[in-house]
Amino acid sequence: GQQLNQSPQSMFIQEGEDVSMNCTSSSIFNTWLWYKQEPGEGPVLLIALYKAGELTSNGRLTAQFGITRKDSFLNISASIPSDVGIYFCAGVPSSNTGKLIFGQGTTLQVKP
Amino acid sequence: SAVISQKPSRDICQRGTSLTIQCQVDSQVTMMFWYRQQPGQSLTLIATANQGSEATYESGFVIDKFPISRPNLTFSTLTVSNMSPEDSSIYLCSVGDGYEQYFGPGTRLTVT
Repeated sequence: GQQLNQSPQSMFIQEGEDVSMNCTSSSIFNTWLWYKQEPGEGPVLLIALYKAGELTSNGRLTAQFGITRKDSFLNISASIPSDVGIYFCAGVPSSNTGKLIFGQGTTLQVKP
Repeated sequence: SAVISQKPSRDICQRGTSLTIQCQVDSQVTMMFWYRQQPGQSLTLIATANQGSEATYESGFVIDKFPISRPNLTFSTLTVSNMSPEDSSIYLCSVGDGYEQYFGPGTRLTVT
């Protein structure tokens, strides 16, 4: 089945540092989504991407839809302690519109 | 985005019993989904809850184990039947248009 490879699996960084994570697949995707999940909560949608090459920002977060439509990345600038959580990429494959495929998640820890 | 609530928020159940999880949305939505998130893992789609017809299950999930109801456009239930410790997970409902999806807070189930 279709899979998304998300990396890194975890990150432990100093407050103020920038963070980058990415998601890749062997299949083409029509949509890329980035979610954040905090302990005891459901995932919260951060950014949605719909076009190859699209670059979208949400505050300190920036995400891009890869040109090949097989990858996406998320950057967080100037990290703060409340950025702590698990970040998931998710995509809607071109072959299966309407169903989300999730990456394995990147656990982010920020040291004040 | 829609406001999604789930009941119960958490439960501890004995093996062999069943638990019904409710998902309520504050507005009518076309598509509702149920996911499972096993401890430390990503999200896996269980089924799409279809209003007025039988749910559409993903590979590895069957109606006898996870019966789903969708009586109207704002409400759905997922039952976890004949539970075993392997069913201990977070169960999440989501709503969306087939591209962006928004998640409820989840139901944390522990089976002893």
